[in-house]
Amino acid sequence: DAGVIQSPRHEVTEMGQEVTLRCKPISGHNSLFWYRQTMMRGLELLIYFNNNVPIDDSGMPEDRFSAKMPNASFSTLKIQPSEPRDSAVYFCASSLQVGPQGSSGYTFGSGTRLTVV
Amino acid sequence: TQLLEQSPQFLSIQEGENLTVYCNSSSVFSSLQWYRQEPGEGPVLLVTVVTGGEVKKLKRLTFQFGDARKDSSLHITAAQPGDTGLYLCAGAGGSYIPTFGRGTSLIVHP
Repeated sequence: DAGVIQSPRHEVTEMGQEVTLRCKPISGHNSLFWYRQTMMRGLELLIYFNNNVPIDDSGMPEDRFSAKMPNASFSTLKIQPSEPRDSAVYFCASSLQVGPQGSSGYTFGSGTRLTVV
Repeated sequence: TQLLEQSPQFLSIQEGENLTVYCNSSSVFSSLQWYRQEPGEGPVLLVTVVTGGEVKKLKRLTFQFGDARKDSSLHITAAQPGDTGLYLCAGAGGSYIPTFGRGTSLIVHP
């Protein structure tokens, strides 16, 4: 299994531009999560999907952020327009199950390092 | 939101030393996970504990979940340079979605 695949690994963009981050979860995993990691705030959950349906987007910082999961094998996180304070490492993670049956733990991708100048 | 405090924030030791890092909260967790993250990579799951008082061992790493399921510790015996990384704990409550601590950054010098 190739694991969780994220692209691009690095993205440098100018303020005001649209940025799209991509994620392919592990096949068979039902839940997908987008996280943002910074030195100041650590790992923050932005949004998570269960069976392709967004369940909780309360961590999405502003309307400039949006996420979609059109099918079980693909998700995007879009920032439009981007701002310098969005600079961070964005991680996608997938999980076999989350719920009363227990948590099987996350498998993280390698992340996308976003720099907005 | 459940707040997870990890200590120490930074730890720099010599190869062969033992160490313990801590993860504390005022909230009760249904499960708690430990991850290790290396530079430029995503966190990698080390262990999940679910029962109060549970102890799990992974080679030189020993994980313990507190009796009240509010805290956890990770003990490393005879640390090696390959243990260098950011150690993150993540606790899940009623929502079953883990909240991450800020992590302990460990450096093991040869």
